[in-house]
Order: sequence, then structure tokens, then C-alpha cells
Amino acid sequence: RKEVEQDPGPFNVPEGATVAFNCTYSNSASQSFFWYRQDCRKEPKLLMSVYSSGNEDGRFTAQLNRASQYISLLIRDSKLSDSATYLCVVPSGGSNYKLTFGKGTLLTVNP
Amino acid sequence: GAVVSQHPSRVICKSGTSVKIECRSLDFQATTMFWYRQFPKKSLMLMATSNEGSKATYEQGVEKDKFLINHASLTLSTLTVTSAHPEDSSFYICSALSDGQGAGNQPQHFGDGTRLSIL
Repeated sequence: RKEVEQDPGPFNVPEGATVAFNCTYSNSASQSFFWYRQDCRKEPKLLMSVYSSGNEDGRFTAQLNRASQYISLLIRDSKLSDSATYLCVVPSGGSNYKLTFGKGTLLTVNP
Repeated sequence: GAVVSQHPSRVICKSGTSVKIECRSLDFQATTMFWYRQFPKKSLMLMATSNEGSKATYEQGVEKDKFLINHASLTLSTLTVTSAHPEDSSFYICSALSDGQGAGNQPQHFGDGTRLSIL
């Protein structure tokens, strides 16, 4: 299993749709997980942190299944502004706080 | 919130030139900063971990003599791409971990990146 593997995408959805992204990770010792969004030619910006079974913030819900080493991100009522690449990020653990990034899933929300 | 400033945002220069990129934590101290590189349509790849007052730790395959890192203060790390060539053209991004954050379970704060183009 790759360190961090994401849905390859791309996803094209209409405004208002619900869309879900999946991510699997290989390091069973990882305790926390992050979803970042990255707009074209920009730096990643933190979207959500996931420390326990899940986290919800408005239209965004992240879920964690430690047994299956699986994280998901659900976006409800998609907006045009949600169009971006979504990165699943897993700390490598240890004292140097290294992050491993998934390749990202491109989402395009269409009017 | 924590702000990381990266400068310059865009560099275009001739092959053989050395380019210095600065990464500053504006409102917090950062003992540890990270340098990433991202090629088009690829994921961010960690190049090195920059530690204030000590040598950087480079990832496998990254040439330390090619990518010089200096972390001379708690708010500034610099990456110098020495004798840059077209294959070094990429998007370079730094991040910083605020001192006092717990180990391995806090997000990093990213700079806005430097797009380097070597002609």
C-alpha cells in the first residue's frame, strides 16, 4: 500500500451536489490527519484536521476509520468556489513532524 | 492566525544562476521549517527539514550541495538553489511549525510558494 493514496479523480459535479473523496494510508501509527485544498498554482491551505473518528465543519465532513486506515471527505451543497485540488495529508510520525501528501483529487464544480 | 511569508513569489532567470528563496514566520517562532517542491500535476514532495541553529535534514535523492538551506533565526529559513538549471524549474513551498505545537499532530502553516522558472 502506498503511504497515502487518494481517488485519482477528476470529479466534475454540478452546483449543489454532494461529493466524497477517499484516502487510504499505510502508517498505522499515524494519529492525526489533514485535508488541505490547493487552488491552481497556489499553496495548500488547511481545510480540516481529523484527530478522532471524524470532524464536521459546515458543509464539510471528514471521517476516519482507523481499522481500515481510511479517511474520507464529504462536501455537501457544492459551490463553484469549492473547485480545487483536495489533498489528503498524513504525518509520518516521529519527532520531525514530516507530512506525506497524497497526489490530490481535482474537483470541478460546474454551474 | 499563523502567517508564513515566502519571497519572492516568482523568479525567472538564466541557467547557471543561483536563486535564494526566503521563508519567514511573521507572528510566531518556528524552530522547524520544511521545504517542499511540486512539479506540475504532482503532489508536494518534501525536500528537507530545516532546523534553527543546526544542519538541515535532506530527504533521499535531494542534493544538499545543490539546495542550500540556512535557518539562522527562529523566524527565517532560506533555500538557495545553486547553479539552477531548467530541470530545477518548479513550485517551491515552505512551511513552518509553530513552537509549542504538539509533536506530529498539528498542521503546518504554508508560505504562498515561489514559482521558479529557469530558462
